[in-house]
Amino acid sequence: GAVVSQHPSWVICKSGTSVKIECRSLDFQATTMFWYRQFPKQSLMLMATSNEGSKATYEQGVEKDKFLINHASLTLSTLTVTSAHPEDSSFYICSAREHTSPHEQYFGPGTRLTVT
Amino acid sequence: AQKITQTQPGMFVQEKEAVTLDCTYDTSDQSYGLFWYKQPSSGEMIFLIYQGSYDEQNATEGRYSLNFQKARKSANLVISASQLGDSAMYFCAMREVYNQGGKLIFGQGTELSVKP
Repeated sequence: GAVVSQHPSWVICKSGTSVKIECRSLDFQATTMFWYRQFPKQSLMLMATSNEGSKATYEQGVEKDKFLINHASLTLSTLTVTSAHPEDSSFYICSAREHTSPHEQYFGPGTRLTVT
Repeated sequence: AQKITQTQPGMFVQEKEAVTLDCTYDTSDQSYGLFWYKQPSSGEMIFLIYQGSYDEQNATEGRYSLNFQKARKSANLVISASQLGDSAMYFCAMREVYNQGGKLIFGQGTELSVKP
């Protein structure tokens, strides 16, 4: 099956700094990618939908200036958490859709962010 | 707006027995897809099974089957012959086919524990 990678798998940063998380589709072209965040023992909450070459569509309540999403190519989307604070500590997961497989989204392994 | 509900926060099952995880959904769309994912403690999202709203037969994938009752708007997951490795979080999700790029909306999840 199709593979999606995320980097880094975990990161610890200090409050006030910015962190970039990469999501790559390794063996297919992903016209659409999605970013989710997940708190412990909770569900995945969609943050934004990212389409290659266009601005991301953010879900209600997600600060677009804080969570910068760039989908510059068909295989790479990035999420940058700007001026991170402890409450941004979470598990961030990306997923990608392949146009030839409309039934499935392929998920990355996730990135665990801890802000101290 | 679409909504997914999983009413069982936690479930226990004896090894080798079958278990049913409940999922109900709400949508005004006629065309939609229903998914089940498994999330072990490592955090990765593992696709288990898919059911399209126009599929007349219940989906099956190995030990997983989806009990789709369209009139009741339910899509329960049945795991037969439970194994210790089935212990994980299970999420039901829905995608409205023609809406907003195919984003997935997840239920709250059910934590399944398989006892030896």
